[in-house]
Amino acid sequence: AQSVAQPEDQVNVAEGNPLTVKCTYSVSGNPYLFWYVQYPNRGLQFLLKYITGDNLVKGSYGFEAEFNKSQTSFHLKKPSALVSDSALYFCAVVFSGSARQLTFGSGTQLTVLP
Amino acid sequence: DAGITQSPRHKVTETGTPVTLRCHQTENHRYMYWYRQDPGHGLRLIHYSYGVKDTDKGEVSDGYSVSRSKTEDFLLTLESATSSQTSVYFCAISGGGGGGSNTEAFFGQGTRLTVV
Repeated sequence: AQSVAQPEDQVNVAEGNPLTVKCTYSVSGNPYLFWYVQYPNRGLQFLLKYITGDNLVKGSYGFEAEFNKSQTSFHLKKPSALVSDSALYFCAVVFSGSARQLTFGSGTQLTVLP
Repeated sequence: DAGITQSPRHKVTETGTPVTLRCHQTENHRYMYWYRQDPGHGLRLIHYSYGVKDTDKGEVSDGYSVSRSKTEDFLLTLESATSSQTSVYFCAISGGGGGGSNTEAFFGQGTRLTVV
């Protein structure tokens, strides 16, 4: 069975500092990995994905994520955090099989302090 | 929001009554998903569909059923609503294209369901 873990419920960072939101996964075969962001009372918005190729992927709003196969991790990063980045972030995984079951982590609340 | 419409957006219903939520897409995407979101649990998959009349259970499928009779509509039914099914329900769609293209999911705005 595939699963995703986000070990931190809450991450606080000062504006202008780098941020990291952690994600680890367990899936057989080749994973497709995703990050989504959710603002209050909204649906989820796609940020970036890893399918294959370069382990560092870049996405929307200056976010990037690094795929590490040996550590089965896909951490979300941003070099300089903004107050407007404060939101709920979700990691998700799909096994590259035919059914495309999309599984989410429990989410990490990111707060960027001014 | 990528051509996804959930209806209703809000609903209050009584325990024991059946409830149907509708997800409609205009993107002709193959994959459709129903999730529930609860504090501390993130998004949990209820059911998903990988084609017309092709559906499968997710991790929290008990008490729920789905139907997909055409590409654009995916219905979620609570057969006999209980207070534990009070939640925010999200529908998502994905093209799931070959070679990794069009794999990301797009979400509806959600349905807030309260069972009293």
